[in-house]
Amino acid sequence: QSVLTQPPSASGTPGQRVTISCSGSSSNIGTNFVYWYQQLPGTAPKLLIYRNNQRPSGVPDRFSGSKSGTSASLAISGLRSEDESVYFCASWDDSLSGPVFGGGTKLTVL
Amino acid sequence: QVQLQESGPGLVKPSQTLSLTCTVSGGSINSGDYYWSWIRQHPGKGLEWIGYIHYSVNTNYNPSLKSRLSISVDTSKNHFSLKLSSVTAADTAVYYCASSWELPPGFDYWGQGTLVTVSS
Repeated sequence: QSVLTQPPSASGTPGQRVTISCSGSSSNIGTNFVYWYQQLPGTAPKLLIYRNNQRPSGVPDRFSGSKSGTSASLAISGLRSEDESVYFCASWDDSLSGPVFGGGTKLTVL
Repeated sequence: QVQLQESGPGLVKPSQTLSLTCTVSGGSINSGDYYWSWIRQHPGKGLEWIGYIHYSVNTNYNPSLKSRLSISVDTSKNHFSLKLSSVTAADTAVYYCASSWELPPGFDYWGQGTLVTVSS
């Protein structure tokens, strides 16, 4: 049971815009930054979004993050087949005094 | 470009100690304000933070693992290590080492991961 809640799956067609939600609480998302990762099969996660809405160098601007209250979202516009992956959200949790992750959302590009 | 590489046994017997090392290349483990973390992923599951070490001496462990866990740095070898004692089948997972330039979970560099199976 993950501390942050994500839908297990999402889907979209090429060119479409999809969003993935991440729900937490006042001890994590409500008071701390949110981060998003992309994990392709058999590989380590890759940082997509940091500090709620910042993109590391090299991450396309098709990926964007937002946060409101105790929830956050990752949006992917202009969906491509290579975006088919598992996406994780993460945040610091003040109760745990450590980082926590969502259970992951598997995105399928139809 | 910093690179991380995990190494250690892929099979550990129940009740024994799991020991992994993460070798850092392309940068010094002593440089900057980096946090050096261990994260694991049970087969087909999500990510679980294990713990981190900061400035070579300051550690922070997941409370659920704290009693069995030790993370340390060897600056002479530019690597950091994980020791998890009294393992059970529930500790079978892919173990990743990762670094973060600020307080986690902003992990910018990751190792490729290593599968550790706990079985007799």
